[in-house]
Amino acid sequence: DTEVTQTPKHLVMGMTNKKSLKCEQHMGHRAMYWYKQKAKKPPELMFVYSYEKLSINESVPSRFSPECPNSSLLNLHLHALQPEDSALYLCASSQPYRGYDYGYTFGSGTRLTVV
Amino acid sequence: DQQVKQNSPSLSVQEGRISILNCDYTNSMFDYFLWYKKYPAEGPTFLISISSIKDKNEDGRFTVFLNKSAKHLSLHIVPSQPGDSAVYFCAANSGYALNFGKGTSLLVTP
Repeated sequence: DTEVTQTPKHLVMGMTNKKSLKCEQHMGHRAMYWYKQKAKKPPELMFVYSYEKLSINESVPSRFSPECPNSSLLNLHLHALQPEDSALYLCASSQPYRGYDYGYTFGSGTRLTVV
Repeated sequence: DQQVKQNSPSLSVQEGRISILNCDYTNSMFDYFLWYKKYPAEGPTFLISISSIKDKNEDGRFTVFLNKSAKHLSLHIVPSQPGDSAVYFCAANSGYALNFGKGTSLLVTP
């Protein structure tokens, strides 16, 4: 299995809702990432998990809460989001510190719309 | 401030010709550079990478050139095919994550 699976593909949520994005991989990768991509912008790093521990938080607002329950799963819990948080949320995985040679494997993303 | 820059938002090339996508970077500490290809409604897929100790890497129709002194890299696609039409992202490895450029949308016309 050489895929990263993200669910749901599309999500519309109100500003008072609580929702979660899910990401799963079975490649044995021990590093997982959340990126956010807005239209006509590059993907921007949000969080890095290495060996199931949060290693990087790129000053992301607390309304985004990541969780890595095990080595195959990565969640992003969303609460009290703003309309400007609407974006494509990408999950990726790699071996820790090895993403440089063969790259990360990305999921297809979750298109989030906050209304 | 963006450390990886792709200054051409779009490029149109005829089928069979060469496509050249350019990328500039500002951080001399980057040690690996990668190109990703992205179709609409899909995540980016890894295409080719190059180490900072090399100046060229080739994989089939795709060749990446690196000019460290100019902090510039380019992706050459020869010959270009209509299926190559996609957004191409340049990325640089900072040691713990990838920094992406804004992307160049390539259109290969028959």
